Amino acid sequence: DAGITQSPRYKITETGRQVTLMCHQTWSHSYMFWYRQDLGHGLRLIYYSAAADITDKGEVPDGYVVSRSKTENFPLTLESATRSQTSVYFCASKDLYTEAFFGQGTRLTVV
Amino acid sequence: GQQLNQSPQSMFIQEGEDVSMNCTSSSIFNTWLWYKQDPGEGPVLLIALYKAGELTSNGRLTAQFGITRKDSFLNISASIPSDVGIYFCAGPTLWDTDKLIFGTGTRLQVFP
Repeated sequence: DAGITQSPRYKITETGRQVTLMCHQTWSHSYMFWYRQDLGHGLRLIYYSAAADITDKGEVPDGYVVSRSKTENFPLTLESATRSQTSVYFCASKDLYTEAFFGQGTRLTVV
Repeated sequence: GQQLNQSPQSMFIQEGEDVSMNCTSSSIFNTWLWYKQDPGEGPVLLIALYKAGELTSNGRLTAQFGITRKDSFLNISASIPSDVGIYFCAGPTLWDTDKLIFGTGTRLQVFP
């Protein structure tokens, strides 16, 4: 199916565990983004990527790692999850002449 | 870095009323975007503004790109229950246009 998909939709993990959130888009968009959404903070940019093998830090990158070996995939890894990383995570993609399209989000709970 | 502040944080209105919300920044933006997030979903683009002073409509929605380039406004006329959601302003930062940042959001609740 065309579009941008995130998996899993829901995840519960324990403090200290590594967890990876997946994002896949079928448009071959150049740009991809990861945001976290928390009450009172809106959407905060974690990492973004302008093309395969090019990534850059956003507003709140600490504790997260990203990679982009293929244009269509942009996984986000929490190397050692903390409770403060409990949030709803959104992936988005865009091209040079389009605005961003978002996935449906991953609700992550760290216990 | 550049930040986007939205007001009000939340609004509770009666169906049929008009709504106005705004987004401000201490630094200029060259593009202003307005997104809506329905409950349980990802944000969806409503309106894009690319020129200072620009006024653009999308159905009952009207948005304006402020003359100073430091603010933008979104108006919704004759609100209906499906207008419920969170409205975000967004824009690419001036110094790194690949970096797309969002505001804190305005949560809208519409009562019948």
